[in-house]
Amino acid sequence: SQTIHQWPATLVQPVGSPLSLECTVEGTSNPNLYWYRQAAGRGLQLLFYSVGIGQISSEVPQNLSASRPQDRQFILSSKKLLLSDSGFYLCALRGGGKSNQPQHFGDGTRLSIL
Amino acid sequence: QQQVKQSPQSLIVQKGGISIINCAYENTAFDYFPWYQQFPGKGPALLIAIRPDVSEKKEGRFTISFNKSAKQFSLHIMDSQPGDSATYFCAASRPSGNTPLVFGKGTRLSVIA
Repeated sequence: SQTIHQWPATLVQPVGSPLSLECTVEGTSNPNLYWYRQAAGRGLQLLFYSVGIGQISSEVPQNLSASRPQDRQFILSSKKLLLSDSGFYLCALRGGGKSNQPQHFGDGTRLSIL
Repeated sequence: QQQVKQSPQSLIVQKGGISIINCAYENTAFDYFPWYQQFPGKGPALLIAIRPDVSEKKEGRFTISFNKSAKQFSLHIMDSQPGDSATYFCAASRPSGNTPLVFGKGTRLSVIA
């Protein structure tokens, strides 16, 4: 079965510090991978998605970036965090190509910026 | 045209009642409509999904009703229980699996005893 690993579960960072969140998946090959951010009590904001190694599409201009160095690894980064970067970050995977492939989410990282 | 409009934002239902959440879309190219359930502190979990070639799909107490001509679909939770209290998201997707799901803004459901 498909599994999504996200860590850490909780992270507290000072303003201006760098960020690296890692997502690794198992049980699938060539998945589409996604990073979402969710503010408290709010909806899902798509940040980046990737249909393959080295292929990144950005949905929202901001001080975050994403990379996909391996088929089953998706990394979210920032050089300098802002207060507005606080939120719940979710990694998701979906089978590529055909439609109707279910999308599954990881359990997320709660990021607090102080 | 890429939006999925979800209503209501919040919903309070008595235990044993029926919870109904509605979504509407504009893009007629959408052909896959999933619903997600999210508990606090957890990622959304796929609940049930439907394609436009059927008008209804039922899984246990959860039913999706789909109206292609009206471009609307809804989630019905029968015999709602306190354990169903969560945030529910509808979504839609175009035929290419490489295009991201378009999500509604979510509905916070509270089932009270």
